[in-house]
Amino acid sequence: AQSVTQLGSHVSVSEGALVLLRCNYSSSVPPYLFWYVQYPNQGLQLLLKYTSAATLVKGINGFEAEFKKSETSFHLTKPSAHMSDAAEYFCAVSVGNTGFQKLVFGTGTRLLVSP
Amino acid sequence: EAGVVQSPRYKIIEKKQPVAFWCNPISGHNTLYWYLQNLGQGPELLIRYENEEAVDDSQLPKDRFSAERLKGVDSTLKIQPAELGDSAVYLCASSTRTSGAYNEQFFGPGTRLTVL
Repeated sequence: AQSVTQLGSHVSVSEGALVLLRCNYSSSVPPYLFWYVQYPNQGLQLLLKYTSAATLVKGINGFEAEFKKSETSFHLTKPSAHMSDAAEYFCAVSVGNTGFQKLVFGTGTRLLVSP
Repeated sequence: EAGVVQSPRYKIIEKKQPVAFWCNPISGHNTLYWYLQNLGQGPELLIRYENEEAVDDSQLPKDRFSAERLKGVDSTLKIQPAELGDSAVYLCASSTRTSGAYNEQFFGPGTRLTVL
């Protein structure tokens, strides 16, 4: 069964530092992978998605992720953290046929950004 | 374009009481999802609708939970009776349905339920 594992429930960085949030997936078929962000008291917003095209995916707010099949990873990065990046980040894998996708989420990583 | 609307945003009830959550999806989105998000966890799918038909409700605890989407637009999720363990955030999402393509799910802000 498809699943994702997010390493680290909390990640703390200083403003301007590199952001690295880790996600490893398990899938018997080529996966669709996603990163979502959730700000306090808000719903989830799609940051970026991998759907078997380019392995380096660029998303909103300066985030990007690289699909590495050999490492079964889809880590999220941003070169320079902003205070406004503080939020909960969820990695997800799509389960099911194209046209219908059930999203299976990881447990989330809370990003803390200090001045 | 308006996003997914959910109400109420917050609800506090005593255990054994009934509660209902309402969701209005993005106009034109025929697929609607209800997710449960426990504290410190990722969302888990409860039920998915294609128009008015529930096509995946395998994770819905049917002894106390029910859902409906009578006209294929807005939807209601009900819990009766509520238990302490139902305290969580209930998220609604919607998407279009196009075969052979990925259809992005758009999430509402959620309803935070507290059962005392």
